[in-house]
Amino acid sequence: DIQMTQSPSTLSASVGDRVTITCRASQSISSWLAWYQQKPGKAPKLLIYKASSLESGVPSRFSGSGSGTEFTLTISSLQPDDFATYYCQQYNSLWTFGQGTKVEIK
Amino acid sequence: QVQLVESGGGLVKPGGSLRLSCAASGFTFSDYYMSWIRQAPGKGLEWVSYISSSGSTIYYADSVKGRFTISRDNAKNSLYLQMNSLRAEDTAVYYCAGEATGDDAFDIWGQGTMVTVSS
Repeated sequence: DIQMTQSPSTLSASVGDRVTITCRASQSISSWLAWYQQKPGKAPKLLIYKASSLESGVPSRFSGSGSGTEFTLTISSLQPDDFATYYCQQYNSLWTFGQGTKVEIK
Repeated sequence: QVQLVESGGGLVKPGGSLRLSCAASGFTFSDYYMSWIRQAPGKGLEWVSYISSSGSTIYYADSVKGRFTISRDNAKNSLYLQMNSLRAEDTAVYYCAGEATGDDAFDIWGQGTMVTVSS
């Protein structure tokens, strides 16, 4: 099974900050990686697919990069609506999620 | 609009059974590859089961294999999850989710239905 490890688990940041979340896979997953945003009591929302492709309707301040085993999600300028929990997910071999990164207000 | 609506959750005793449903609307359900994903209270996301658009290919997470059965009825635009031999650790919000190509991320999600396994 492919394991996904996100870091950090919690991130404290201010509006306007540049934020980076890292996701590592236990084996190569090529670019078969997605990023989701989840707010309390809501379903996850797809942000990025195939490691770096922006889902339609998602603000351009979100970007993804990486391939193989190491990936990053970057929010270029954090907005009030971005305080949420973010999950990476591999879909190279079945489906596995990272443990999540909570982005909270500093 | 594009929508998935889950139902069937509730409180069930350990060892009991429950059948979840997911009703699709606003898109061609029969083209979509569907999964169930769950989230225990205060925890992360766990993929549970997958079914291809035609229903010919099915996968399960090891944690539910032999106890859960996924199925779909494309004529009724519906996805199902039959859950038997339920355990306390199955307590979670269950989401249905889908994607259109067979090898992509989940771009459609339902709002979730809560399953509580407790005596």
